[in-house]
Amino acid sequence: QVQLVQSGAEVKKPGASVKVSCRISGYTLSEISMYWVRQAPGKGFEWMGNFDPEEGEDGEAIYAQKFQGRITMIEDTSTDTAYMELSSLRSEDTAVYYCGFAINMLQGVGYWGQGTLVTVSS
Amino acid sequence: DIQMTQSPSSLSASVGDRVTITCRASQGIRNYLAWFQQKPGKAPKSLIYAASSLHSGVPSRFSGSGSGTDFTLTISSLQPEDFAIYYCQQYNTYPRTFGQGTKVEIK
Repeated sequence: QVQLVQSGAEVKKPGASVKVSCRISGYTLSEISMYWVRQAPGKGFEWMGNFDPEEGEDGEAIYAQKFQGRITMIEDTSTDTAYMELSSLRSEDTAVYYCGFAINMLQGVGYWGQGTLVTVSS
Repeated sequence: DIQMTQSPSSLSASVGDRVTITCRASQGIRNYLAWFQQKPGKAPKSLIYAASSLHSGVPSRFSGSGSGTDFTLTISSLQPEDFAIYYCQQYNTYPRTFGQGTKVEIK
């Protein structure tokens, strides 16, 4: 059974960093491409980045321009856990962060985590 | 960036109605178009990929069509559990972009 289990809610102060985890089962990280999106309260979805196996020699993480320099996506294949770290947090980063994965680039994201609420407040 | 425009932004419909939502891309995206459903307080659920293919477990009353710039999501006979917000997303080009959502409400 496919599952994505994300870490719990976080409250951070402006300027801090947050690291959200996403543990998958039913597939291994080496078989999928992990996506991260976020949803601010009452708003739609915003793509943050994903791992693209078709980029570069062995694939690489592609990030949204607006997060360049602040976002890092890493993967621990020993535990099939992906992480998304966002630094220099500001109040506008308050949102629910979702991981999701695609089993191939044609199918897009087929499975989603439950979401992690990150609140940035002084 | 490719702009994805959904219409309508919201609609009211009754159980059993046929519902159609459209999604227009500001430039061609081949068939790299996905549809998601989201209920209040819940994670998105993937419905359709490649414009017209259903993800595993998605009821056959959902269907998608289109290619290039114009796409549609159709629910052939609306069920009580289908009241939700629906989003399209293009994954042909970076950055990936979403439509603003269509809220399907009970009439």
